[in-house]
Amino acid sequence: RKEVEQDPGPFNVPEGATVAFNCTYSNSASQSFFWYRQDCRKEPKLLMSVYSSGNEDGRFTAQLNRASQYISLLIRDSKLSDSATYLCVVNRDGANNLFFGTGTRLTVIP
Amino acid sequence: GAVVSQHPSWVICKSGTSVKIECRSLDFQATTMFWYRQFPKQSLMLMATSNEGSKATYEQGVEKDKFLINHASLTLSTLTVTSAHPEDSSFYICSAVRQGYEQYFGPGTRLTVT
Repeated sequence: RKEVEQDPGPFNVPEGATVAFNCTYSNSASQSFFWYRQDCRKEPKLLMSVYSSGNEDGRFTAQLNRASQYISLLIRDSKLSDSATYLCVVNRDGANNLFFGTGTRLTVIP
Repeated sequence: GAVVSQHPSWVICKSGTSVKIECRSLDFQATTMFWYRQFPKQSLMLMATSNEGSKATYEQGVEKDKFLINHASLTLSTLTVTSAHPEDSSFYICSAVRQGYEQYFGPGTRLTVT
C-alpha cells in the first residue's frame, strides 16, 4: 500500500466554485502533514501545514482526521490562478523525510 | 524567505556519460538536504538523504554507486548521475531543511539522456 494516496483527478471547475481534495495515509505514526502546490515543470511549494484542529488560510481550509488517517483541502471561490497540482504530503516517523502523494490536478475554467 | 538553487536547470547528455547536479541553500545553512526524482505525471520519490560531512542515506531501490551524493558544506550538496541511461531521464529536485520539518525546494533539474 502506498504511503500517501490521492485521487489524481483531474478536477475541472468553474471560477468561483468550491472544490475539495482528499488524501489518505497509511502510516499511523506520521506526525506532520502538509499540502503543497506544484505548477507544471516547477518545484512544489508549501501551501499550508495541516493541524489536528483544522486550519484556514484565506480561501483554503485544511482538515486532519487522525482516526481515519485522512486529510482534506477545501478551496473556496476558485480563481484561475489556483490551477495547479495539489500534493498531499506526510512526514515519516518524525523524521524530516516527506512522502508525497501523486497529486490532484485542478483546472479552474473561466 | 529561504532560497534553494539548483544548477543546471536543464541538461541533455549522451548515454554513458555522467552528470553532476548542484543544490545550494543561498541564505541559510542546511545540515540536511534531500534529493527527489519525479517522472512525468508521478509523485516525487525520495532518492536519498544527504547529511553534511557524512555519507548519504539512500532509499530502497536507489543505487548508491549510480547516484553519487556529496554534501561537502552546509550550503552545497551534489548529485552525480553516473553512466546515465535514457531511463534516468527525469526531473531531479533537491530540498534543504532550515528548521525542524520545514523543507525548501530547489527549482529542479530536468535531465534528458539520449
